[in-house]
Parts: sequence; C-alpha cells; structure tokens
Amino acid sequence: TQLLEQSPQFLSIQEGENLTVYCNSSSVFSSLQWYRQEPGEGPVLLVTVVTGGEVKKLKRLTFQFGDARKDSSLHITAAQPGDTGLYLCAGSLDSNYQLIWGAGTKLIIKP
Amino acid sequence: KAGVTQTPRYLIKTRGQQVTLSCSPISGHRSVSWYQQTPGQGLQFLFEYFSETQRNKGNFPGRFSGRQFSNSRSEMNVSTLELGDSALYLCASSLEARSSPLHFGNGTRLTVT
Repeated sequence: TQLLEQSPQFLSIQEGENLTVYCNSSSVFSSLQWYRQEPGEGPVLLVTVVTGGEVKKLKRLTFQFGDARKDSSLHITAAQPGDTGLYLCAGSLDSNYQLIWGAGTKLIIKP
Repeated sequence: KAGVTQTPRYLIKTRGQQVTLSCSPISGHRSVSWYQQTPGQGLQFLFEYFSETQRNKGNFPGRFSGRQFSNSRSEMNVSTLELGDSALYLCASSLEARSSPLHFGNGTRLTVT
C-alpha cells in the first residue's frame, strides 16, 4: 500500500510566524501536487512539482520536491490569517492514474 | 470558464434510502473523479471515470456506484444509506493526462440520520 504521510496534522500559530509542512513517502512519485481547502469549499491546486530537487515559489509559499521524488515540503513565510486552511499533498505514481493523498495539515493563523 | 458544479449542495437522508449526486465538469475535461471526505478519514478516493468508462476504483462497498455520460457529466449513487456515509462528497475534473491537476467542485454535504 502506498502511503503519503503529512506532518504536522494540525498547526496553530500567530500571524507573522514561519512554518513548514511535510509530505513523506517510501514511494517514488512522477509528480506531486499541493492543494489548499477552505471551509465549505473544494480543494484548490496551489502547485505541481515534477522534477527531483525542484523548488517553486508562490508569493510567500515555497514548495520543494525531494531529490529522490519521495517527499515534499511547503514553507510559508510570515503567515497571514488568509493562509488558514487544510493543506493537502497528492502524489502521482507512474503505475496508475490514481493519486495518492496525504491526510492533510489543518493550519490556523491567528491575528 | 465555468468551474466544476456539484448538485445538490446539501442533502439530508434517512438510513436505508438511496441518493444520487451530480457533477458537471469543466468544459473539455474528460476525467471525473469522486472523493469522500470525513474529518476522521480525510480524502478517500471512490472512483474515476474517463470517456464514460470507470478507469479506477477505490475500496468502497458496492453500494457506491457511478456513471459518466457522453457529455462528461457524472453521477454517483449510494444505495441503502448508512449513518457512516455522512460526509462531504467531492467531484473533481481534469484533462486526460495522468498528472493533470484536479479541479474540484464545492461538494455535496450528505447527512444520514
């Protein structure tokens, strides 16, 4: 069974602090996607990383794909209340079309 | 471009009843996936349809079924509802490529009493 473990499961911090969310697996992924879900809405894609070692930036969010394509991280600099939400990672395997999903990190940024 | 539309938004049903949920994908998207989301289990894959054929199926009982029409619209059906079926059901559409990003609807919140 392929697993994608996310940590931490829950994080509550003050506005202005930095944080990192991790997504780890023993499987090698051809690509990995990060989504953010806000209450009452469906997940929205933030970024897709494809190449081992790849780093992508989206304003204050930095995404990194591990060199071996087994893990990824999301770093948020100077977190703001608008960053509050459930962050989900999903990995794509070469063997099939089904995405493997992490359980999510619930992030709360307090003003 | 219109997003993924799911109807209804909320649904309350009684144990033993059946329910049909509908999903209209983004125009041009041929793949539709269904997910069940609960606080305890996270996002669980139900099935995926591509060009009217079920291409992948998750580990759910046969009470959960789906279909896709020629216009890519999809429906999922749950028969003999159980209390544990209460969840947010999400539909996502994508282009045919394997690593294509998913575009989710806002879900149908099903409550079984």
